[in-house]
Amino acid sequence: AQSVAQPEDQVNVAEGNPLTVKCTYSVSGNPYLFWYVQYPNRGLQFLLKYITGDNLVKGSYGFEAEFNKSQTSFHLKKPSALVSDSALYFCAVRDRRDTDKLIFGTGTRLQVFP
Amino acid sequence: EADIYQTPRYLVIGTGKKITLECSQTMGHDKMYWYQQDPGMELHLIHYSYGVNSTEKGDLSSESTVSRIRTEHFPLTLESARPSHTSQYLCASSDLPPGQFQETQYFGPGTRLLVL
Repeated sequence: AQSVAQPEDQVNVAEGNPLTVKCTYSVSGNPYLFWYVQYPNRGLQFLLKYITGDNLVKGSYGFEAEFNKSQTSFHLKKPSALVSDSALYFCAVRDRRDTDKLIFGTGTRLQVFP
Repeated sequence: EADIYQTPRYLVIGTGKKITLECSQTMGHDKMYWYQQDPGMELHLIHYSYGVNSTEKGDLSSESTVSRIRTEHFPLTLESARPSHTSQYLCASSDLPPGQFQETQYFGPGTRLLVL
């Protein structure tokens, strides 16, 4: 079965420290992977994606994600967290059976403390 | 099971036509969203609404407009369709149940638009 897992419901980080939000996937073949952010009272906002090529993908707002095929992971990272990064983060993978659809993880709440 | 509906499911139309994509939900959700998605690729938020008489522009510049006169209805209108509008349009709604901090967005089946 295809799925993505976000093992942490919440991640707490001090401002200025590096942050990691974890995502692992289970999909046959080459995955198309995405990260989204949802700020309070907003819809999902696309951050970055991995289709092919370099394993390190750079996205919006200084975020990046590393695709690791051997560990089936696609963790979201940022070298220095900001309080304004506090939001919900969703990992997603393209559904190979219905390629128009994305399968979302359950989300991780990132809380950055001043 | 989420009850969110979109019509039409598929639409082929000529350049310059005015079109309205319908979205309705029967869950009483206040928040509703429109996303644009090229096939199999990322979603881009184009409009959202907090509730009746609330409409906001999203992150992707869009030539479409929306209205929210009733809670259950959130139509999206293109005044003059162009080939660059060819895409899939996904509607979603959400609510935040008491005691939970993570809202769940429920997506409609989408409308595939082809502008010739």
